[in-house]
Amino acid sequence: GENVEQHPSTLSVQEGDSAVIKCTYSDSASNYFPWYKQELGKGSQLIIDIRSNVGEKKDQRIAVTLNKTAKHFSLHITETQPEDSAVYFCAARSNAGKSTFGDGTTLTVKP
Amino acid sequence: EAGVAQSPRYKIIEKRQSVAFWCNPISGHATLYWYQQILGQGPKLLIQFQNNGVVDDSQLPKDRFSAERLKGVDSTLKIQPAKLEDSAVYLCASSLTTGYNEQFFGPGTRLTVL
Repeated sequence: GENVEQHPSTLSVQEGDSAVIKCTYSDSASNYFPWYKQELGKGSQLIIDIRSNVGEKKDQRIAVTLNKTAKHFSLHITETQPEDSAVYFCAARSNAGKSTFGDGTTLTVKP
Repeated sequence: EAGVAQSPRYKIIEKRQSVAFWCNPISGHATLYWYQQILGQGPKLLIQFQNNGVVDDSQLPKDRFSAERLKGVDSTLKIQPAKLEDSAVYLCASSLTTGYNEQFFGPGTRLTVL
């Protein structure tokens, strides 16, 4: 089955700095890669996603890059703000809709 | 639009007891997922429904876990009997269908087994 590894497990940055979270996956059949933000007491929320036929996608301060050959994808957050502090999960999904998640990265943005 | 609803939000039981969780997905969403999230880990898929049919239950411990979605809308997940290692957050999610459709997650039910 699919295996997703996520690094780092914790990340602390100063407000205004950039944050990068990396994930690798094992199943070359995975074709959809969403990123979720999980805040305490709230449901996980999709923040950005990328399909396997695209190499990069950007939405304001958030971007995702995908390297299909190396089977890794990364989340980039620029100009971080304290409200970006949360747990971030990457996932790899097959066509059938089954998602395999990484173990999460706890991001702390210090004011 | 209303999000995915789950109840209860918290549950504490003793081992060998039974427990049930309820999920109401977003209206019109055909696909419903139940995940188990152990502290410090990512969500792990337990079962996926497409309408009222099971698409994937390969990681559901069927000797103690069961789930149903009788009318293709609400769903219940049951554990009987519970073990200590079942302590986790149980997340329900729904999507319009499979493929590239966004999954919307509920707030989860935090289960503690003593």
